[in-house]
Amino acid sequence: GAGVSQSPSNKVTEKGKDVELRCDPISGHTALYWYRQSLGQGLEFLIYFQGNSAPDKSGLPSDRFSAERTGGSVSTLTIQRTQQEDSAVYLCASSRGQANEQFFGPGTRLTVL
Amino acid sequence: AQSVSQHNHHVILSEAASLELGCNYSYGGTVNLFWYVQYPGQHLQLLLKYFSGDPLVKGIKGFEAEFIKSKFSFNLRKPSVQWSDTAEYFCAVNPRLGNNRLAFGKGNQVVVIP
Repeated sequence: GAGVSQSPSNKVTEKGKDVELRCDPISGHTALYWYRQSLGQGLEFLIYFQGNSAPDKSGLPSDRFSAERTGGSVSTLTIQRTQQEDSAVYLCASSRGQANEQFFGPGTRLTVL
Repeated sequence: AQSVSQHNHHVILSEAASLELGCNYSYGGTVNLFWYVQYPGQHLQLLLKYFSGDPLVKGIKGFEAEFIKSKFSFNLRKPSVQWSDTAEYFCAVNPRLGNNRLAFGKGNQVVVIP
């Protein structure tokens, strides 16, 4: 079946602009995660959604970052007033439940000029 | 919070050589353990996982890993690598009870020379 999809695959923006990154999880997966992969920092957890529970936002680096998940499916990660240090690959993953393996999407490469 | 250590970030070896990548984690409770692989231009894929049971787990493409609880380790091995094993390998951990977030190591960039 279809895997996790993310859009756009690449995004170049100017410092100070807002960006939205989209994730479509695997159908039927109740858990959704956002991670960030950057040089020097490796892969970092950002936020986690599980069903209708309140999301775990403990990994978000600042209040410029937010995410929502509509209808228990698609998720959008929004970064406001982007900074150069936000440049990274943003990865989305989904899993069947809380204790199952996570399947990753191809990522969105964000470049902030 | 859990942390994961991977050493020897860059590994270069010839085809047919054996590969071992170390992974150590720090966490006081019970964990699930994973190795993910990222081939050039591709997304992260699961190589193998350990949840419970036999501490020696077999994954895809001839890889295996051994969980040694006393050493907090989950080392990855392959007896004979191929050029197609050139990739970046990530060890990851999440607590058995918790929010299922994965803590990743920094990764090992492995280059196999034909």
